[in-house]
Amino acid sequence: EAQVTQNPRYLITVTGKKLTVTCSQNMNHEYMSWYRQDPGLGLRQIYYSMNVEVTDKGDVPEGYKVSRKEKRNFPLILESPSPNQTSLYFCASSLSFTGEAGYTFGSGTRLTVV
Amino acid sequence: KQEVTQIPAALSVPEGENLVLNCSFTDSAIYNLQWFRQDPGKGLTSLLLIQSSQREQTSGRLNASLDKSSGRSTLYIAASQPGDSATYLCAVGTQGGSEKLVFGKGTKLTVNP
Repeated sequence: EAQVTQNPRYLITVTGKKLTVTCSQNMNHEYMSWYRQDPGLGLRQIYYSMNVEVTDKGDVPEGYKVSRKEKRNFPLILESPSPNQTSLYFCASSLSFTGEAGYTFGSGTRLTVV
Repeated sequence: KQEVTQIPAALSVPEGENLVLNCSFTDSAIYNLQWFRQDPGKGLTSLLLIQSSQREQTSGRLNASLDKSSGRSTLYIAASQPGDSATYLCAVGTQGGSEKLVFGKGTKLTVNP
């Protein structure tokens, strides 16, 4: 089944403890991106990657890192999480950056930082 | 900067009613427009994708239209059912610079039995 898989689905952590949210797609998509969703603010892009080893900042990149060493994986790294990073996170992928085949989203990761 | 607005923010209708959800965007330089459905606390399910060169797409009881020149899209749901209750999100694939989807804040639909 073609899909974007995120792990974990739920995560509670403490301020300052480094964490990684994994994202993997099995559709050979070139483009991948991360979004966060917050009440009243909607979905906002954090980082995106147009291909392997090519990443760039989205609208809200502060406090996050990403890497794209392989085509299928695009992990989101929080080096020192803070409570304002409590959010629902989504990974998405598309065949190319123009999104002509549309975007596929993962099931989401609900992160709570205390 | 692309901005996407969805009206209304919430809508409650009786079962069986036909309804229209609206989406407007400020910059017509788009690759495409995609409608998603999101159930509470869940992920995004793609409903319809309209390329910038297309006028509409249909899937079952859903029909989405796109008028790029006026910056508008509508999602028409025929014969609504309680199972259609969800938040519907409109997202525009932007051109130039940061390639991404720009989302509206959604319309929360409740279909009452």
